[in-house]
Amino acid sequence: GAVVSQHPSRVICKSGTSVKIECRSLDFQATTMFWYRQFPKQSLMLMATSNEGSKATYEQGVEKDKFLINHASLTLSTLTVTSAHPEDSSFYICSAPLTSGRGDEQFFGPGTRLTVL
Amino acid sequence: AQSVTQLGSHVSVSEGALVLLRCNYSSSVPPYLFWYVQYPNQGLQLLLKYTSAATLVKGINGFEAEFKKSETSFHLTKPSAHMSDAAEYFCAVTPNTGFQKLVFGTGTRLLVSP
Repeated sequence: GAVVSQHPSRVICKSGTSVKIECRSLDFQATTMFWYRQFPKQSLMLMATSNEGSKATYEQGVEKDKFLINHASLTLSTLTVTSAHPEDSSFYICSAPLTSGRGDEQFFGPGTRLTVL
Repeated sequence: AQSVTQLGSHVSVSEGALVLLRCNYSSSVPPYLFWYVQYPNQGLQLLLKYTSAATLVKGINGFEAEFKKSETSFHLTKPSAHMSDAAEYFCAVTPNTGFQKLVFGTGTRLLVSP
């Protein structure tokens, strides 16, 4: 089946630093990927749609200058949290859609736990 | 606009008992509906999906869900709970006019006691 990986799985950083999170589709190509964040005991909230070869589309209320998204290739999207603050601590999950004989499906990465001190 | 409501943030069952997790949706267009499971500190795994074919959908691990348009519901059931079913379950919706972003419910934590 289709596999999406994320790196790193956990990261701890100091306030004010930047953190890059990678999302890779390992065995399929994805022109679109989605980035979600999940606060403890809450649901996933879509942050942005990453588009290969063009700018990302951000959801309302998400600061595009703080959460930089780059879809560098058909298998890689990166999310950079710039000037991170403790309130950015969260679980970040990416997903990539794939159309197959079973129809459309989104495959999720295992998530990245970000802790900002 | 689309939305999903999951009734009950926590559901507790005994091992071997029926599992019922509720999901109601709101959509201005015919929806695709999904159930995902999330284990601690992990991503989401698709349990099953409804894409306008059969209204009773069977998924992995013995779960199934029935799409009821008249009730705008897509409840998840399993006849007999197993300890390994303890996890967070999310219902999600997307319009079926092409694959688009998912809108998730707030999730239901399933607790299974021996």
